[in-house]
Amino acid sequence: EVQLVESGGVVVQPGGALRLSCAASGFTFGDYSMLWVRQTPGKGLEWVSLIIGDGSRTYYADSVKGRFTISRDNSKTSLYLQMDSLRTEDTALYYCAKVNWLTKAFDMWGQGTRVTVSS
Amino acid sequence: DIQMTQSPSSLSASVGDRVTITCRASQSISNFLNWYQQKPGKAPKLLIYTASYLQSGVPSRFSGSGAGTDFTLTISSLQPEDFATYFCQQSYSTPMYTFGQGTKLEIK
Repeated sequence: EVQLVESGGVVVQPGGALRLSCAASGFTFGDYSMLWVRQTPGKGLEWVSLIIGDGSRTYYADSVKGRFTISRDNSKTSLYLQMDSLRTEDTALYYCAKVNWLTKAFDMWGQGTRVTVSS
Repeated sequence: DIQMTQSPSSLSASVGDRVTITCRASQSISNFLNWYQQKPGKAPKLLIYTASYLQSGVPSRFSGSGAGTDFTLTISSLQPEDFATYFCQQSYSTPMYTFGQGTKLEIK
């Protein structure tokens, strides 16, 4: 069964740091680009960051560039998001998702992990 | 960034109704348009990719059409399990993916 399971979401103060993890199973992890998407009631769904299958290229939304770092460990079939210099506007439900290489659609999502940035 | 605008933002309908949701892109995206369904407390689920192709396991009452800037998602005969929020998403300007704001489909 194809599965993505996120973890690591907590309450953190502004300026703090956090690392999210996403454990993948049921597919050849290293063959696929993976990404993080966040969701808030106000801004809806927002793409955050993407990493290609071998980890050699990464991309970031302008809103997180310079503060967040995406990485992956294909030997552990895991995806990560290091979140530094957190702001209140980073408060959201964070999903990891698998990108279909042909259609570029997100064909598998995790259940999400909630990050709250608040003093 | 490419802006995606859905209409309506909410919709009330009855079981058995035919429903259409529209998504418009701020510039041409060819057919790089995907539709997702999200139920409360759950992650989005891919329904339609590349404008008109049904994802495996998705009922055939769902269909998508369009190209360029204008796209539609149609549910031919609403079932109780279809009441959810629907999002469109462009994958033309990768990796700068953008989503529509969502259409909440409610029971009348």
